[in-house]
Amino acid sequence: GNSVTQMEGPVTLSEEAFLTINCTYTATGYPSLFWYVQYPGEGLQLLLKATKADDKGSNKGFEATYRKETTSFHLEKGSVQVSDSAVYFCAPWMDSSYKLIFGSGTRLLVRP
Amino acid sequence: DAGVIQSPRHEVTEMGQEVTLRCKPISGHDYLFWYRQTMMRGLELLIYFNNNVPIDDSGMPEDRFSAKMPNASFSTLKIQPSEPRDSAVYFCASTFDSTGELFFGEGSRLTVL
Repeated sequence: GNSVTQMEGPVTLSEEAFLTINCTYTATGYPSLFWYVQYPGEGLQLLLKATKADDKGSNKGFEATYRKETTSFHLEKGSVQVSDSAVYFCAPWMDSSYKLIFGSGTRLLVRP
Repeated sequence: DAGVIQSPRHEVTEMGQEVTLRCKPISGHDYLFWYRQTMMRGLELLIYFNNNVPIDDSGMPEDRFSAKMPNASFSTLKIQPSEPRDSAVYFCASTFDSTGELFFGEGSRLTVL
């Protein structure tokens, strides 16, 4: 079936460190891929997306590239800030079933 | 524009009581989703509607759960009777197309004692 695997957290970094959060998926066909972010006490919000192979999604300094050959969509940021502390969810969108399949989420804690 | 609005934000109830969670989607959005978030199971899709019609309710845990969407601007998720294992944050989300870009409400945190 369709599934997504994210690296387990929490990930703890110092401010200005480089961030990578790994995400791989299993899906039939070629889903659109999303990263959502959840700040404390809030709902999820879209961070970035990519709709086809080799597309790069980017927003707020975060980037992720749709890698069809490795079925991956790793999230990266060159220099994290304390305000980036949140839970990050990788989610493929299954067109056939109109469903977002969320990963387990990776908690990021950035220390000053 | 207002986002997705959920109520109540917090609900504490006793086992056996009926719970009703409410959601107002963004105007013009014709898809509405109900998710449940727990530490153990993460985010689970319970049910989604298109044009007020339930399309997929395969995630609804059991008959104690029911969801309705009587019109384009209102949906409810009801649990009757509630049990402690229903304690979770329930999110409503809406969208206007099938691209996967969902707009989430702030959630309703339910605690069943």
